[in-house]
This record gives sequence, structure tokens and C-alpha cells, in this order.
Amino acid sequence: SAVISQKPSRDICQRGTSLTIQCQVDSQVTMMFWYRQQPGQSLTLIATANQGSEATYESGFVIDKFPISRPNLTFSTLTVSNMSPEDSSIYLCSAGDRGETQYFGPGTRLLVL
Amino acid sequence: RKEVEQDPGPFNVPEGATVAFNCTYSNSASQSFFWYRQDCRKEPKLLMSVYSSGNEDGRFTAQLNRASQYISLLIRDSKLSDSATYLCVVNDFNKFYFGSGTKLNVKP
Repeated sequence: SAVISQKPSRDICQRGTSLTIQCQVDSQVTMMFWYRQQPGQSLTLIATANQGSEATYESGFVIDKFPISRPNLTFSTLTVSNMSPEDSSIYLCSAGDRGETQYFGPGTRLLVL
Repeated sequence: RKEVEQDPGPFNVPEGATVAFNCTYSNSASQSFFWYRQDCRKEPKLLMSVYSSGNEDGRFTAQLNRASQYISLLIRDSKLSDSATYLCVVNDFNKFYFGSGTKLNVKP
């Protein structure tokens, strides 16, 4: 199994600012994903982070709002840009190999004031 | 229509009870299936993969019915520590879709 770390673990931000979340995997993996989870709800896939190319975004999520980088097979970042209170959520990174089990990081709890 | 649908519960059961959760998925071409467990304020963790032949891990049994497009999870002899939200997950061409989760409360 992969061990995944995320930072920051939590943050409180002012509206209009941006926050970059980092995700580090302890081994090389083919697939990395970013999810959002609102309180009491299930996970919503934001995008697939592709190594060396632009991320693949799900419906309702755009690159200008959620730019993603994946410079190598063990690291990815998600930026939440121009934040508003509606962006308050838990952001989760996951990783795994193609078609195989995904493992999750501990999440980043974001509160936008 | 949602990709994956689950009964949200909550299921409130006494210790020692047997409880079953079902989940349906919309894409007949989905390739692999999983049950995850999520504790309050924690990340989801893999409970078990689900295979067509069915698979068992201790008190947990998972079944897949491709013809009817549903997945089940059976928990026998429930423990207090089984209280959590159980997420059904379907892999469609390397995109993982999560159900809304079924909440289980096991009471003494």
C-alpha cells in the first residue's frame, strides 16, 4: 500500500486569496486524484492529476479555479484560487496504480472566511 | 442519474447483529469495485475489494452481481468499532466514483 501525506492539514483563509495543497506519496504511482468532501457528504472527484501534462477535470471544475501540478510520479499540488466561503471543505488527495486500489491522504481542512 | 447509489442509513444495530448494505452502479462496463470505510473526520480507508466470485475477510463478506449491477457488503457479529460510514466505490476506466455512503451505528 502507498502512504500519502498532505500539507497543510488545515488552514483558515481570507476570501479572494489562494491556497496550495501538497500531496506526497512514498512510492511511484501511476494515478493521483484530487477530491473534495463537504461536511456530511461523500467525495466528489475534482480532477485526475496527470504526470507531465494538464490535469483532467470533472464537470463543474475548471483549471483556472483549481490549477493542479504533477511534476513527477510521487508529488502533486492542488491550488484553490480566489477563494470564497463556498470553497470551505475537506480536500483529499488519493493515489494508486491503474485500476488498483486507491489510498488516501489525511485531507486538508479548509475554512474560508 | 448518479454513478453509484447507496442507502444513506443510518443503520442502528445492536452488537452482535448481522447487517447488510447494498449499492447499485449505473455503468455496466465498470471494471472494479471496492468498499471503503470512513470514520468521522478521517480519510476513507480500503475495507475490501469486491470480486465476481464473492470474497470474505473475517466477519466481512462482499458480493458483486454484474447482471443486476449491484454490490453488497455483509457484516456479521457487529462490533462497536464497526461504527462508521461505508462507501461503495466503482472504477470506470481509472476514474473512481464514490457512493454517498451508508452510516452504521453499532450500539451496546
